[in-house]
Amino acid sequence: AQKITQTQPGMFVQEKEAVTLDCTYDTSDPSYGLFWYKQPSSGEMIFLIYQGSYDQQNATEGRYSLNFQKARKSANLVISASQLGDSAMYFCAIIGNQGGKLIFGQGTELSVKP
Amino acid sequence: DAGITQSPRHKVTETGTPVTLRCHQTENHRYMYWYRQDPGHGLRLIHYSYGVKDTDKGEVSDGYSVSRSKTEDFLLTLESATSSQTSVYFCAIRNSGLQNTEAFFGQGTRLTVV
Repeated sequence: AQKITQTQPGMFVQEKEAVTLDCTYDTSDPSYGLFWYKQPSSGEMIFLIYQGSYDQQNATEGRYSLNFQKARKSANLVISASQLGDSAMYFCAIIGNQGGKLIFGQGTELSVKP
Repeated sequence: DAGITQSPRHKVTETGTPVTLRCHQTENHRYMYWYRQDPGHGLRLIHYSYGVKDTDKGEVSDGYSVSRSKTEDFLLTLESATSSQTSVYFCAIRNSGLQNTEAFFGQGTRLTVV
């Protein structure tokens, strides 16, 4: 079974600063994948970034990067140069070896201050 | 945008009545998921499907059943709705079991049980 824990219910960041959203996971699968999604106040779910457990490098997508520390079972999302439009809920998710069951965490609400 | 539609978008129902939510996709994706979203709990997996007539339970399956008789439709049924099932329900689809395949989400259904 897989589990995701996001321990920061809410966070604030100043515009143009970087912010790290924490995600820890638990799985017994030797191979797994980790996702981050963004949910603005409008409600849609937007895929941001993916990290595979055997990927040699940390994933990056524009201003988003993933700080993947396999031994610590953490997959933190780093947003550089925060923008007002980054204010949203952010969800971390994991998928296991079988590739079917996709499990999400509780989410972190990020507020970007001008 | 992935072709995924949820219906209805909003529903108010009385305790004890049956309710069926529909998820329809035009992408021919193999995997389909039902989640519920509640404050403080994030997205919790109810059931998912990995093919026609192939389904499996998620984290919070009690009180819910699903059916998938066609690739494009995944139905979520609350046999006898309770107030604890008041929530926002999201359907998601994924193309394959490969771990790096992201999920695409519907717009959500807001269900209120009174």
